[in-house]
Amino acid sequence: KNQVEQSPQSLIILEGKNCTLQCNYTVSPFSNLRWYKQDTGRGPVSLTIMTFSENTKSNGRYTATLDADTKQSSLHITASQLSDSASYICVVSARGGSYIPTFGRGTSLIVHP
Amino acid sequence: NAGVTQTPKFQVLKTGQSMTLQCAQDMNHNSMYWYRQDPGMGLRLIYYSASEGTTDKGEVPNGYNVSRLNKREFSLRLESAAPSQTSVYFCASSDSGTAGYTFGSGTRLTVV
Repeated sequence: KNQVEQSPQSLIILEGKNCTLQCNYTVSPFSNLRWYKQDTGRGPVSLTIMTFSENTKSNGRYTATLDADTKQSSLHITASQLSDSASYICVVSARGGSYIPTFGRGTSLIVHP
Repeated sequence: NAGVTQTPKFQVLKTGQSMTLQCAQDMNHNSMYWYRQDPGMGLRLIYYSASEGTTDKGEVPNGYNVSRLNKREFSLRLESAAPSQTSVYFCASSDSGTAGYTFGSGTRLTVV
């Protein structure tokens, strides 16, 4: 069964600090991995996408990494801001006709001033 | 460019009442999806439509029905609402199964 596990479940950091969120998956055969950001009361918004051949992708202060061999991804947030407070969701898609990606349960990040 | 539009944004129902959640997208996407999101559970797929004219069950379809009215619109119906259906409902669309999703802003439903 395809699964996506995220850790930690929740995280509290001080403004200006860096943090790293983890995503482990068992989805096969792998197509791509996306990180979404979901602000409170809003729908998720895509941050990054990585395919099998990519091992790092940046979007401003967000940098995602992918290790397809170990089936792990991380999302690193640099110099955190209060607006980074949100839930971050890892989503993995399989190749070969599946229309349904597998969602992780998300990591809730709170940035304190 | 509106993206994915969901209505209503908030709704309170009594147990046993019925209602339809509306969703429309203006990106000419082929696939559309309905998810529910509960605390600690993440997003769970209720139903999806891979293309106009087709619908399939997701992970948690019981108590729901859907209609893909045309390429733009995908509605979710609760025939007899139950308190267990209290949740936030998200509609999403994508160009294909491996393309990224565009989500609506959600409908917060409370069943009392």
